[in-house]
Amino acid sequence: KQEVTQIPAALSVPEGENLVLNCSFTDSAIYNLQWFRQDPGKGLTSLLLIQSSQREQTSGRLNASLDKSSGRSTLYIAASQPGDSATYLCAPYDSNYKLTFGKGTLLTVNP
Amino acid sequence: SAVISQKPSRDICQRGTSLTIQCQVDSQVTMMFWYRQQPGQSLTLIATANQGSEATYESGFVIDKFPISRPNLTFSTLTVSNMSPEDSSIYLCSANTGGFNYGYTFGSGTRLTVV
Repeated sequence: KQEVTQIPAALSVPEGENLVLNCSFTDSAIYNLQWFRQDPGKGLTSLLLIQSSQREQTSGRLNASLDKSSGRSTLYIAASQPGDSATYLCAPYDSNYKLTFGKGTLLTVNP
Repeated sequence: SAVISQKPSRDICQRGTSLTIQCQVDSQVTMMFWYRQQPGQSLTLIATANQGSEATYESGFVIDKFPISRPNLTFSTLTVSNMSPEDSSIYLCSANTGGFNYGYTFGSGTRLTVV
């Protein structure tokens, strides 16, 4: 059974800092991995999708990397802004289309 | 990517009653998924809903408690039946609109409080 761990559980940084969120998963036989953000009490917004054949994806100030063999993914956020404050979730998925979620990293960016 | 409209966005319900949550996708999808997010927890898959067949439930979830309908390729409903305070959660629907390499889209969630 796939298990996903996200470290740190919470992070508070001043505006402008670069930061890294970590995600590890126990079963490396994944197809792809997706990063989401969730605002309080809301649904999920997709940030980046990394296909299993890729090692990284970039979108604006976000960069996500994937190392399947070691069961790790990282999300790098450059020049953080208060609007980045949210919970960040990583979710690998398998051939059965099933996403497995970690508990997320709660990010607070202080002005 | 697809857009999923989910309603209601929130509701407060009396114990013992039922609530039906609706999700409408703006394109045809084969599979839709229903998740539960209990307070302070991550998302847990309830079931996978394919059009024209019975939903497939994950361990710990049963059809009598969470009946699902999937009448066509753009719509699905989840009913939370005979509710208790333990059912207070955020419920989310999701779909994969382009295959493995296009990722998943989620609805905006339904925040349910049972009193």
